[in-house]
Amino acid sequence: KNEVEQSPQNLTAQEGEFITINCSYSVGISALHWLQQHPGGGIVSLFMLSSGKKKHGRLIATINIQEKHSSLHITASHPRDSAVYICAVSQYGGATNKLIFGTGTLLAVQP
Amino acid sequence: DTAVSQTPKYLVTQMGNDKSIKCEQNLGHDTMYWYKQDSKKFLKIMFSYNNKELIINETVPNRFSPKSPDKAHLNLHINSLELGDSAVYFCASSQASPGTSILAYEQYFGPGTRLTVT
Repeated sequence: KNEVEQSPQNLTAQEGEFITINCSYSVGISALHWLQQHPGGGIVSLFMLSSGKKKHGRLIATINIQEKHSSLHITASHPRDSAVYICAVSQYGGATNKLIFGTGTLLAVQP
Repeated sequence: DTAVSQTPKYLVTQMGNDKSIKCEQNLGHDTMYWYKQDSKKFLKIMFSYNNKELIINETVPNRFSPKSPDKAHLNLHINSLELGDSAVYFCASSQASPGTSILAYEQYFGPGTRLTVT
């Protein structure tokens, strides 16, 4: 079992829909990261959070430390949001900022 | 300006060869990483360097040898390439330093190097 689990693995949505991707983890963390990987392959950091909620444009990330759970929401989804969304955690207590990754969620937004 | 750059972007080579991938960051970060993304798109850390010092070595075969000539560069040399080494290799950097382990920093990724071993 992975230390970081994401669901769903695949998600197809219609343009304009509200999307939620979930992430659960089983280790102590100092922060949780949401990353986006486009079909071209590059990886971009969307959010890094250790408590509460962050918002950037149509993207919202929340984290519940007690429940060891985070969600990434996309409002008014658009085909350009189609990508793989990866949850990763910075493991607490390590000597460095080591990331442990989830398996990713492949999102396809259809026009 | 590219923050984290890698060369080459694509690398096709035969089994048994030795190859290197180069990474450079112009963000002034202290720490650099190498990650491997397998055919199922799963990412896993391989190495991390902080100010030219190796701080993470994650059960990687010793055919893989990272080298950091300065804190802006982290190169990955692979000896005796095997079919299973085929993957996308990502370099990343962050501001993290040992001794501040309670803190986490955002990581910036390079564009990736797709290695194909035939």
